[in-house]
Amino acid sequence: EIVMTQSPATLSVSPGERATLSCRASFSVSTNLGWYQQKPGQAPRLLIYGASTRATGIPARFSGSGSGTEFTLTISSLQSDDSANYYCQQYNNWPLTFGGGTKVEIK
Amino acid sequence: EVQLVESGGNLVEPGGSLRLSCAASGFTFSTNAMGWVRQAPGKGLEWVSAIGADSGEIQYAASVKGRFIISRDNSENTLFLQMNSLRADDTAVYFCAKGLVGYSFGSWGQGTLVTV
Repeated sequence: EIVMTQSPATLSVSPGERATLSCRASFSVSTNLGWYQQKPGQAPRLLIYGASTRATGIPARFSGSGSGTEFTLTISSLQSDDSANYYCQQYNNWPLTFGGGTKVEIK
Repeated sequence: EVQLVESGGNLVEPGGSLRLSCAASGFTFSTNAMGWVRQAPGKGLEWVSAIGADSGEIQYAASVKGRFIISRDNSENTLFLQMNSLRADDTAVYFCAKGLVGYSFGSWGQGTLVTV
């Protein structure tokens, strides 16, 4: 099983500042990596797939990068609405696995 | 607009069974892979099971293999999860999700709560 490790567990960022979230895979997943945003009481929403492709309707301030085992989600200018939990997921191998999540808080 | 509506969640005794359904609309259901993802109270996301568009590929997480069965009815645009031998650690909100590229999940239902 590929273990996905996210860091940090919690990130506190001021509005307008950049937020950088990391996701590491225990084995290479190529670029078969997605990022999801989940707000309390809501279903997850796909932000990024293929490691760097924004899903439909996702604002340009969200960007993804990386390949193999190291991935990054960047929120270029944090807005109050971006307060949420963020999860990475690999879909290169079975079983599909999610990271433990990063909670983004607004300072 | 893609819509996924789960139903069937309930309170059940350990060892019992439940069948979850996910009614899909707004897209061509028969050409899309689908999956189930769960979230225990206060915890992260855990993939449960996935099924290919024509049911030719079916996969399960180790934690549910042998107890849960995923299926789909492409004529009724519905995804199912038959859950048997339920345990306390199966307690979670179960989300139905539509595959986008591979088994990245581009659309999600609102979830249905299973309490064991």
